[in-house]
Amino acid sequence: AQSVTQLDSQVPVFEEAPVELRCNYSSSVSVYLFWYVQYPNQGLQLLLKYLSGSTLVKGINGFEAEFNKSQTSFHLRKPSVHISDTAEYFCAVSGGYNKLIFGAGTRLAVHP
Amino acid sequence: NAGVTQTPKFQVLKTGQSMTLQCAQDMNHEYMSWYRQDPGMGLRLIHYSVGAGITDQGEVPNGYNVSRSTTEDFPLRLLSAAPSQTSVYFCASSYSGEGATTQYFGPGTRLTVT
Repeated sequence: AQSVTQLDSQVPVFEEAPVELRCNYSSSVSVYLFWYVQYPNQGLQLLLKYLSGSTLVKGINGFEAEFNKSQTSFHLRKPSVHISDTAEYFCAVSGGYNKLIFGAGTRLAVHP
Repeated sequence: NAGVTQTPKFQVLKTGQSMTLQCAQDMNHEYMSWYRQDPGMGLRLIHYSVGAGITDQGEVPNGYNVSRSTTEDFPLRLLSAAPSQTSVYFCASSYSGEGATTQYFGPGTRLTVT
């Protein structure tokens, strides 16, 4: 069975500091991994996805993630965060027919 | 394109009442799904559909019914609402294709069952 673990429920950070949101997955089949962002009172928006190829994936808003098969991880990073990055971030793995299995989410709080 | 639309945005039900959450997409996507979002649990799949006339259960299907008579619409029915169904409900759609394609999410329906 596939599963996703987001290791931090909340991450506080100061503006312009770097941030890493951690995600580990478990899957016995081909792995397709995603990061979604949810701004307050909104739906989910795709940040980036890994399907195959280069293990470093670049997404929108300056975010990137690295697929590490040996460590079964897909951590999300940004070198310098802005107040506007305050949101909840979800890591997900595709379970076939585009069914997504989500982690519990990480709430990123960017402080001035 | 309107993308994925959901109605209503908010709903309050009493225990035992029934209702239908509407979802529509105008992107001609084959796949559609319903998720519920609860604090600390992320999103969990309720039901999904791979095309008109074809539906299947997800992780948490109990208490919910779906049907897909057209490509565009995928309504979610609560037959007899319970307080445990208080949640935010998201509908999503995507193309079929090799590997995994991007899912597009609606804005959500916030449901409270008292």
